[in-house]
Amino acid sequence: DTAVSQTPKYLVTQMGNDKSIKCEQNLGHDTMYWYKQDSKKFLKIMFSYNNKELIINETVPNRFSPKSPDKAHLNLHINSLELGDSAVYFCASSQEGRDYEQYFGPGTRLTVT
Amino acid sequence: ELKVEQNPLFLSMQEGKNYTIYCNYSTTSDRLYWYRQDPGKSLESLFVLLSNGAVKQEGRLMASLDTKARLSTLHITAAVHDLSATYFCAVDNVQGAQKLVFGQGTRLTINP
Repeated sequence: DTAVSQTPKYLVTQMGNDKSIKCEQNLGHDTMYWYKQDSKKFLKIMFSYNNKELIINETVPNRFSPKSPDKAHLNLHINSLELGDSAVYFCASSQEGRDYEQYFGPGTRLTVT
Repeated sequence: ELKVEQNPLFLSMQEGKNYTIYCNYSTTSDRLYWYRQDPGKSLESLFVLLSNGAVKQEGRLMASLDTKARLSTLHITAAVHDLSATYFCAVDNVQGAQKLVFGQGTRLTINP
């Protein structure tokens, strides 16, 4: 059983388009995250949600809009894609008070041409 | 602002040798995590270290945490090729909401 899943796994699109990435976790966790991993493998948090409420927004351009319809899902919508948005986007989840260990999804490789 | 630095960033070693990866961080925290990432794959949790002096071992890997020195180490004993991967440490800023700050990663290559 997949704990944290993301779709799609690969996404190739042109500049200026709008795209979405979906994430679901079946671990019963109350907190979900989006991370961006750049071409140098550096990982940086973008957003986190706790029980559908946004709690971290790391100065990400407002072209990026996360949405959490329920605590098992966290989606990322990106408007007006730019070349610099090309990266791997990871979703993760954790449970408050239980080591806070984060479990990561398989990643979505976004390529903007 | 919390900063996390790993060294070395690249490590090439031979099978059977021992080596240590270091993770330094800049502000107080007692929650530190080690992850492994294979090429094109996700991050796999290796160790969760939650207190000063914590030591955890799994197979040929051992991780420790010294919160006073703000230092964690990941020690590899008698390396084998299967351990080739990129290893990340991540520190929780423990102020407000949980926020992991990652080191740059150490790309480990183990040669036969």
